[in-house]
Amino acid sequence: AQTVTQSQPEMSVQEAETVTLSCTYDTSESDYYLFWYKQPPSRQMILVIRQEAYKQQNATENRFSVNFQKAAKSFSLKISDSQLGDAAMYFCAYRKGWGNEKLTFGTGTRLTIIP
Amino acid sequence: SQTIHQWPATLVQPVGSPLSLECTVEGTSNPNLYWYRQAAGRGLQLLFYSVGIGQISSEVPQNLSASRPQDRQFILSSKKLLLSDSGFYLCAWDPDRGNTQYFGPGTRLTVL
Repeated sequence: AQTVTQSQPEMSVQEAETVTLSCTYDTSESDYYLFWYKQPPSRQMILVIRQEAYKQQNATENRFSVNFQKAAKSFSLKISDSQLGDAAMYFCAYRKGWGNEKLTFGTGTRLTIIP
Repeated sequence: SQTIHQWPATLVQPVGSPLSLECTVEGTSNPNLYWYRQAAGRGLQLLFYSVGIGQISSEVPQNLSASRPQDRQFILSSKKLLLSDSGFYLCAWDPDRGNTQYFGPGTRLTVL
């Protein structure tokens, strides 16, 4: 069974600084997708970034980027120039293959931005 | 545009009462639809998913059921709520039947 582990329950960063959130996963599949979702106090889950396992290039979305290490089964999220609005719970998620496969979530990391 | 709606936003129900949560989507046809539950301080757990009208798959046997009476409507129900049904319920969809799920705003359910 696939598992996703986020070993940092809480992280904090100074505004405008850079922070990296860690995620590891376990799978025997070769075709899968990895995601980072953000859950602000409103509790809506918002997609931050997506990585296809078959792509070697790390995904980037504005201030958000990932470090995808397939052999190590590691998928960390880097947030550059942290802003107050980045404060939220961040969940790493895994999905096998294509179609109607479910998302498997980690337990989340609570990110605090220090003004 | 593609959007997903959930209602109600919050709900407080007594133990033993019925439940009906609704999720509707706009902007695409025949999407995959999902119901997740998030207990306090925890990640999300998949409850049900649907690939089409009347087609429901259950991930976790429990006090809940789901139905998809229309292509863009997904309903989560219970005949008798338990205290353990309290939580935050999120509907998600995969509009392109691809690889990415997008979530609705959620329903906060408290069972007293």
